[in-house]
Amino acid sequence: NAGVTQTPKFQVLKTGQSMTLQCAQDMNHNSMYWYRQDPGMGLRLIYYSASEGTTDKGEVPNGYNVSRLNKREFSLRLESAAPSQTSVYFCASRDRGLMGNVLTFGAGSRLTVL
Amino acid sequence: KNQVEQSPQSLIILEGKNCTLQCNYTVSPFSNLRWYKQDTGRGPVSLTIMTFSENTKSNGRYTATLDADTKQSSLHITASQLSDSASYICVVSDTGGFKTIFGAGTRLFVKA
Repeated sequence: NAGVTQTPKFQVLKTGQSMTLQCAQDMNHNSMYWYRQDPGMGLRLIYYSASEGTTDKGEVPNGYNVSRLNKREFSLRLESAAPSQTSVYFCASRDRGLMGNVLTFGAGSRLTVL
Repeated sequence: KNQVEQSPQSLIILEGKNCTLQCNYTVSPFSNLRWYKQDTGRGPVSLTIMTFSENTKSNGRYTATLDADTKQSSLHITASQLSDSASYICVVSDTGGFKTIFGAGTRLFVKA
């Protein structure tokens, strides 16, 4: 029972490079989320998917795209990385709609953009 | 503007001592408040969840309180242990389900 699994755990990119963060959950949850965590700030929502086949923008979507590949997997793509995207990224899932129950988080992916 | 403010930013206590962390929010209309614990290098893990009608909830040595009138919550840790060293994050959601606001967290250091 792994919960929420994110890969990679660490990544260093040069400005302008692209990459995809992968996230998978094995709890049969409907909703999945991508957050970023920066020093001195609360987690901020980038994109979310309320159910398979749907995605919506969160608070800070600029510079990112997402794909809800199936019920288990939700990926986050940076098409042209910028230093401002240096952050720790967390994927999370929740089982009842948008608000029901608590979020289960992955271990995080630390991204550095040079 | 919906906000969640936590204090203090950081706290150092000796093992075995108690401590209280504070959370003030302006999220409206209020649905629920959760406290999460985040160990270094890990994702946040839920400790408690409280709705409008609840004013105290315990989880082992962790006790959360909620005053929905003053829009304040606290997390009390009793007989602290070294493993309590972590960030504690207050998270507030509105009733419409459109907003979940995270506080910046309180970083707790428990020293032997």
